[in-house]
Amino acid sequence: QSVLTQPPSVSGVPGQGVTISCTGSSSNLGAGYDLHWYQQLPGTAPKLLIYTNTNRPSGVPDRFSGSKSGTSASLAITGLQAEDEADYYCQSYDSSLSVWVFGGGTKLTVL
Amino acid sequence: QVQLQESGPGLVKPSETLSLTCTVSGGSISSYYWTWIRQPPGNRLEWIGYIYYSGSTNYSPSLKSRVTISIGTSKNQFSLKLNSVTAADTAVYYCARGSGGTQPFDYWGQGTLVTVSS
Repeated sequence: QSVLTQPPSVSGVPGQGVTISCTGSSSNLGAGYDLHWYQQLPGTAPKLLIYTNTNRPSGVPDRFSGSKSGTSASLAITGLQAEDEADYYCQSYDSSLSVWVFGGGTKLTVL
Repeated sequence: QVQLQESGPGLVKPSETLSLTCTVSGGSISSYYWTWIRQPPGNRLEWIGYIYYSGSTNYSPSLKSRVTISIGTSKNQFSLKLNSVTAADTAVYYCARGSGGTQPFDYWGQGTLVTVSS
């Protein structure tokens, strides 16, 4: 069972938008710890996509946006492109376990 | 541009010690938290631990009894040792850079697959 829970998969057609949720608890997101998102293209390492809940590193398109409220967070992707097809992971810190934790990952399929 | 590169054996026998090195280029090893993360096949990412450039360490409680992370003799390297490995330790191992606290891991190595098998 995940400390951070994500849907296993989402899909969308090019040009549309999708949202990926990440649900935590009072010992991680609810405790105020920041939430980060990573994109993992097939066969590659995770790449930082969104940091500190809402911020994009340099070079990440503004089609990607993040939000956080209470024990939940979301990653929104607008104007889907074929190159967005990847696994997406949320990550935070859990004070109960004393570890940095990742969600189970969400596979985005662009139909 | 900071780059990280993992190196080490791709096959380790059960009960032996897994040893990996991460070489950092394009930036200083100072003032950051140098981290190991692994990903078993088809599974979630798991934080293993980190070493601060000063030498202080922090390990996942579930692996703490078996893990050692150290700064290499070449100061742009850090290493992971995981002893008494089993098949459950088979994973892609990544090294990454963190900035401490709850900051993200902003640079990652490409990862190296380590298989535990006799």
